[in-house]
Amino acid sequence: AQKITQTQPGMFVQEKEAVTLDCTYDTSDPSYGLFWYKQPSSGEMIFLIYQGSYDQQNATEGRYSLNFQKARKSANLVISASQLGDSAMYFCAMREGLNDYKLSFGAGTTVTVRA
Amino acid sequence: NAGVTQTPKFQVLKTGQSMTLQCAQDMNHEYMSWYRQDPGMGLRLIHYSVGAGITDQGEVPNGYNVSRSTTEDFPLRLLSAAPSQTSVYFCASSQGWTGEQFFGPGTRLTVL
Repeated sequence: AQKITQTQPGMFVQEKEAVTLDCTYDTSDPSYGLFWYKQPSSGEMIFLIYQGSYDQQNATEGRYSLNFQKARKSANLVISASQLGDSAMYFCAMREGLNDYKLSFGAGTTVTVRA
Repeated sequence: NAGVTQTPKFQVLKTGQSMTLQCAQDMNHEYMSWYRQDPGMGLRLIHYSVGAGITDQGEVPNGYNVSRSTTEDFPLRLLSAAPSQTSVYFCASSQGWTGEQFFGPGTRLTVL
């Protein structure tokens, strides 16, 4: 079974608008961490934001915020005030269990920002 | 501080050839891993290591070998290349469980 599901293969967003990227996860372990990475067309993987399963508040990093709904097992990424440079592939990933460093990735969502 | 480095950036092999993808990090991270990225499939874990002398298999280990003789280096060996191994390969490292994984720039491998 897929541990991470990203159901939106591609999205278009107008510059300066907000966009939400969906991510649902599947785990029975109470200890887990959720990550979002950005991959621009140049190919590098850029870390954006992290949310731990015991964190009480939603994570935020600048224009990125994570809408963490534990009961629904979702960890959606919100990008506010989109910029042309936000056009990229975005991956959701999860670590399960304490002291297990392996990451499971979703298939990704391509975001295209229109001027 | 170079972070995670990978060589080569591009490689073309013929079926049956062997080669080693190099990965090094200068952050003294204990955890290192290799992923492959194929279109529409995200990144899949090949092998990983939690410290020098310790390696384990990930999701797609067949056809690949690894070793970890030092904290800094984690080479990935393709024993007998197959066209199915055409992919982009990423090496990554991290320290703590909650820490981000730092990725290398990737190696684009084509097997003819």
